[in-house]
Amino acid sequence: ETGVTQSPTHLIKTRGQQVTLRCSSQSGHNTVSWYQQALGQGPQFIFQYYREEENGRGNFPPRFSGLQFPNYSSELNVNALELDDSALYLCASSSRGGRVVEQYFGPGTRLTVT
Amino acid sequence: RKEVEQDPGPFNVPEGATVAFNCTYSNSASQSFFWYRQDCRKEPKLLMSVYSSGNEDGRFTAQLNRASQYISLLIRDSKLSDSATYLCVVNPPGGNQFYFGTGTSLTVIP
Repeated sequence: ETGVTQSPTHLIKTRGQQVTLRCSSQSGHNTVSWYQQALGQGPQFIFQYYREEENGRGNFPPRFSGLQFPNYSSELNVNALELDDSALYLCASSSRGGRVVEQYFGPGTRLTVT
Repeated sequence: RKEVEQDPGPFNVPEGATVAFNCTYSNSASQSFFWYRQDCRKEPKLLMSVYSSGNEDGRFTAQLNRASQYISLLIRDSKLSDSATYLCVVNPPGGNQFYFGTGTSLTVIP
């Protein structure tokens, strides 16, 4: 196991609602990245947090936002949910400093928007 | 053009076979490359990092071809437990974003 945890495991929301997903990084890791994985697709990068600041963002609208806390855990918030937001949301933990940065994934949160 | 492209398969091979997957990337300055394995409805798990000199881990061999901008994964003596989706991942220079391919599906048949 990677030691990366996510909660909740499953969630059902209605279009227009807001959702908060949580991630605890692996011990010793200071960076958290969030990904969205639609069925049959590879994970798509949403954003990354390092030292409590957003440090890179993919092609996602502002209604996707996040936070990182001093203990390196992180939240992903999505406002005004749309049906297309239904997906597996993955967080990945890593540690800066090495030449090759390997990312380790949590089990994901499966979000269904109806 | 997509950052990373993979043949989605599916690849159906008998136990004991050797199978190879390729993945092409568009940014020639990319420095870091990885193969992940993903089982159905589970998270991706790091299989191997891919180094310039190539690397081997048991039955798995990863190669990088910078001239042609592709990485490959070779699986020898396939086991039933190798059945999964294999994702190639590229990290362009100076970026924090990891680009994933869509994955290649492998089924090993008894």
